Amino acid sequence: LAKTTQPISMDSYEGQEVNITCSHNNIATNDYITWYQQFPSQGPRFIIQGYKTKVTNEVASLFIPADRKSSTLSLPRVSLSDTAVYYCLVGDGGGFQKLVFGTGTRLLVSP
Amino acid sequence: DAGVTQSPTHLIKTRGQQVTLRCSPKSGHDTVSWYQQALGQGPQFIFQYYEEEERQRGNFPDRFSGHQFPNYSSELNVNALLLGDSALYLCASSLEVEQYFGPGTRLTVT
Repeated sequence: LAKTTQPISMDSYEGQEVNITCSHNNIATNDYITWYQQFPSQGPRFIIQGYKTKVTNEVASLFIPADRKSSTLSLPRVSLSDTAVYYCLVGDGGGFQKLVFGTGTRLLVSP
Repeated sequence: DAGVTQSPTHLIKTRGQQVTLRCSPKSGHDTVSWYQQALGQGPQFIFQYYEEEERQRGNFPDRFSGHQFPNYSSELNVNALLLGDSALYLCASSLEVEQYFGPGTRLTVT
C-alpha cells in the first residue's frame, strides 16, 4: 500500500479556506485517494474520495494533479467545528479495503 | 438509522485478563472491520469480517480474535491483556465505498 505524507499540523482562522496537501509518490494505477476527518474520542468520518482531477461535494473539494503523486483537500470557509485531525489514505477505494492511516494533519481553527 | 454502534463505551481491565468488545454495523452493511487507535496515532487495522469469515488481517498477534454473527454484528476478543493494549478500539462497517466508523470503545489496561 502506498505511503502518504502530510503536514503534522496546520492553523487557520474562521472563514478562511484551508488546503491540506498529501504526498503519495508510490500510488498505484488502481488506487483511489480518500480523506477522513476525526474529532477527539470519535471514529473517523469519510469526507471525500477521488481518482483524478477534481471532486467536489457539500463539504470539501479534492484536487488531484495529472501525475497523481499528490492531492489537496480544500475546506472552504472553515469554522471552529472543523478543528479535527484529517487523514489522507490511498487504496483500492472499495468498502472492503484495509484502510491504512498515517498520523494525519491536526487542523486548529481559531476565532 | 442508528449507524454503527459499539459497546461498551469505556472499559477498565487488569493485565492478563480477557475482554470482549461488540459492534453492530450500519443497517444493510455486511462487512465489519476493527481498528486499534493508540493515543496520538492513526487507527491501525486489526481484521475484517465478511460472511462470518475473517477476510483480511493486519499485523496483530493471535491474542486478538473476532467473530461475525449471521446478523452481521461482530465481536473483538483480546486475551492476556497487556498494558500496551490500552487504546480506542474502532469498528467500521461498509457496503460499497465508504467505511462508517462507530464511536469506539476506550479500553484501559492497568
